[in-house]
Amino acid sequence: EAGVVQSPRYKIIEKKQPVAFWCNPISGHNTLYWYLQNLGQGPELLIRYENEEAVDDSQLPKDRFSAERLKGVDSTLKIQPAELGDSAVYLCASSLGYGVDTQYFGPGTRLTVL
Amino acid sequence: SQKIEQNSEALNIQEGKTATLTCNYTNYSPAYLQWYRQDPGRGPVFLLLIRENEKEKRKERLKVTFDTTLKQSLFHITASQPADSATYLCALRGDSNYQLIWGAGTKLIIKP
Repeated sequence: EAGVVQSPRYKIIEKKQPVAFWCNPISGHNTLYWYLQNLGQGPELLIRYENEEAVDDSQLPKDRFSAERLKGVDSTLKIQPAELGDSAVYLCASSLGYGVDTQYFGPGTRLTVL
Repeated sequence: SQKIEQNSEALNIQEGKTATLTCNYTNYSPAYLQWYRQDPGRGPVFLLLIRENEKEKRKERLKVTFDTTLKQSLFHITASQPADSATYLCALRGDSNYQLIWGAGTKLIIKP
């Protein structure tokens, strides 16, 4: 069974440029999560989807971050414009359905904003 | 405020010994607690889940305990091996908050 796929693995951009991350969850997983992880810290939830509905986006900085999950499968997270402080690892995870306990993570996208 | 604490200092253990990692929390009444392993450049990988009504859970060389009175979980790796070296994260979900809250992780180093 294929795991959670993320691309790109690494991205380096200048500040004020836009950037997008893509995630393909495990087949059949209804719930998709985007996390941000800084070095030496645990993941911090940005947004959670149940199928195509964003059910928890309270920690997503909506002035510059946006996300979508068309057809309840793949998802894209966008930052526009990027700031220096956005440098971090962006992790995507999926689970069978909310309330089912185990989350499966992709390898993450390491973003560096110069 | 709600808080999860894991030892921020790396834990160095001799191969073959038991490694014990600690996860403390405050202002939570978690329905369950999970432990994940994270290797450099990779996402966390689920290891074990323990529910509030369970005292102990085992999986091969891994054992997790959960003391809701002390508000603490202990994660044990017996007969540790260098391949067990990684960062171990605990994560909690409360009854009334569906969000999974993560600790910062403890780096475990097993020396041959």
